[in-house]
Amino acid sequence: QKEVEQDPGPLSVPEGAIVSLNCTYSNSAFQYFMWYRQYSRKGPELLMYTYSSGNKEDGRFTAQVDKSSKYISLFIRDSQPSDSATYLCAMSPLSSNYKLTFGKGTLLTVNP
Amino acid sequence: GAVVSQHPSWVICKSGTSVKIECRSLDFQATTMFWYRQFPKQSLMLMATSNEGSKATYEQGVEKDKFLINHASLTLSTLTVTSAHPEDSSFYICSARVGASSTYEQYFGPGTRLTVT
Repeated sequence: QKEVEQDPGPLSVPEGAIVSLNCTYSNSAFQYFMWYRQYSRKGPELLMYTYSSGNKEDGRFTAQVDKSSKYISLFIRDSQPSDSATYLCAMSPLSSNYKLTFGKGTLLTVNP
Repeated sequence: GAVVSQHPSWVICKSGTSVKIECRSLDFQATTMFWYRQFPKQSLMLMATSNEGSKATYEQGVEKDKFLINHASLTLSTLTVTSAHPEDSSFYICSARVGASSTYEQYFGPGTRLTVT
């Protein structure tokens, strides 16, 4: 079993839809969770950063962490065509090397 | 804030030559930088962790003599692909952590696409 599992999609939704992206993980030591957005042929862009369990909201984006289920989610409200990209989850335990473990990424297309 | 640049954005080189890629943190000091490679439709694969003023730490399976990393200052790290071969063709991306912070988020550069002919 891989440490981080993420459905690669592709996921296609109409403009204005609510999008739900998810990752599961096996390492109970993970405490820091991030979501990145990567456009084609570009570097990843940090969207959300959360610590431990709970919710965090930033504009149209909401990140949820459920450590008891080892499950994290990213919700996008009122999705726009400009949201079309690959979304990567990343996580880390409390560690002095600060390395991140990434999911494979989910390719999202928002159709106008 | 937290902007990371890479240069060049793309490079084509002949087999057997060496290529240097620069990664700069533009508006912050980066004690730690990371180098990744990414194949099409694949996730990021960490190659090495670079700490300013010390030797890089390479991930298992990454040849340190082939992928030379130098982190000479708090804003600059370089990756040199030596004696490049077509199988080294890939998308190379660097990231950086902010200074001496205890946070875990990494800020990524735009990536460098290397094609070895």
